[in-house]
Amino acid sequence: EAGVAQSPRYKIIEKRQSVAFWCNPISGHATLYWYQQILGQGPKLLIQFQNNGVVDDSQLPKDRFSAERLKGVDSTLKIQPAKLEDSAVYLCASSLRLALLGEQFFGPGTRLTVL
Amino acid sequence: SQQGEEDPQALSIQEGENATMNCSYKTSINNLQWYRQNSGRGLVHLILIRSNEREKHSGRLRVTLDTSKKSSSLLITASRAADTASYFCATDAETNAGKSTFGDGTTLTVKP
Repeated sequence: EAGVAQSPRYKIIEKRQSVAFWCNPISGHATLYWYQQILGQGPKLLIQFQNNGVVDDSQLPKDRFSAERLKGVDSTLKIQPAKLEDSAVYLCASSLRLALLGEQFFGPGTRLTVL
Repeated sequence: SQQGEEDPQALSIQEGENATMNCSYKTSINNLQWYRQNSGRGLVHLILIRSNEREKHSGRLRVTLDTSKKSSSLLITASRAADTASYFCATDAETNAGKSTFGDGTTLTVKP
């Protein structure tokens, strides 16, 4: 079974530029998550989708971050414009369904450096 | 603030020794999970323990859960150099099922 795919793996941009990350979850997984992981910290949930609907985006900085999951499969996360503090690893994860089983499958992440 | 907090922040042991990491959380949970993250990689799910369970085993891993103390521990027995990684606990709160909140992890170094 293929895992969660993410691209690109690395991205370096200058502040105020825009960047987009792509995620392809495991086939059949209804729930998709985007996390931000700053060096030395645990992952922080940015947004959670159930199929193509948003379940939780309470920690997404909506003035600069946006995400979509068209057709309930692939997802993109965009930052526009980027700030220095956005430097982090952006992790995508998927799970079979929302709630109680809990196990999430993570992609390798995209390491973003904002200069 | 994060729901789960791991302790210690860092742990260094010799190969063959046991490693114990602890996680404390604040609110009632449906389940608690432990994940491993190797340097520069994504997280890998290790084990899930439900709120009505007290202990679970998986290979060399043993997880306990004490809901009265709102704490969990992860024990890795007979550690190997390949166990070197960061370990995170994640909690699914009763009030927000399906959303896992991660702590900042314990960094384990196993010396050969």
